[in-house]
Amino acid sequence: EDKVVQSPLSLVVHEGDTVTLNCSYEVTNFRSLLWYKQEKKAPTFLFMLTSSGIEKKSGRLSSILDKKELFSILNITATQTGDSAIYLCAPSGNTGKLIFGQGTTLQVKP
Amino acid sequence: GAVVSQHPSWVICKSGTSVKIECRSLDFQATTMFWYRQFPKQSLMLMATSNEGSKATYEQGVEKDKFLINHASLTLSTLTVTSAHPEDSSFYICSATYQETQYFGPGTRLLVL
Repeated sequence: EDKVVQSPLSLVVHEGDTVTLNCSYEVTNFRSLLWYKQEKKAPTFLFMLTSSGIEKKSGRLSSILDKKELFSILNITATQTGDSAIYLCAPSGNTGKLIFGQGTTLQVKP
Repeated sequence: GAVVSQHPSWVICKSGTSVKIECRSLDFQATTMFWYRQFPKQSLMLMATSNEGSKATYEQGVEKDKFLINHASLTLSTLTVTSAHPEDSSFYICSATYQETQYFGPGTRLLVL
């Protein structure tokens, strides 16, 4: 059975801290892994990862995939209060369906 | 690019009525759209895969006669919650695939009284 485990489930940091969010997965016929940020509405797309070892970067956020060890990490440097959200990891197989983890709830305090 | 809209953004209805939610891809064509449901403090649960021009594929445990899905064009899929009951109150979210990435609509909050 396909599964995704994210850790930690929740995290409280102060502005300026760096955080690392973890995602391990087991997916049949793996194709890609996506990271989303969810605030009060629906998830917004952050990254799509398909190859191991190639870091994707967008501003203070970066992510990398390890297809051998079946995990991905999302890093956020110099956190701001606007980074407070639930971060969702979602790998997919060849059906195109996303398999969602429980999410990591990040709270950044001023 | 890759904008997905949903309408309405929220709806309140009486028990027993039917509610239709629209999902549109605004700047791309989507042969496949997905419908999710999210309860408070839980992750997204896939309900069904909507395929343009053919029947939707429902996930195990989702009643197809209760959640009617129609994907009549490459930019529009609709989800109709028939004979809604209070336990159907939830956050319904659609997504559409563009260049192998799923982009989500803003979601529809349904409250059934």
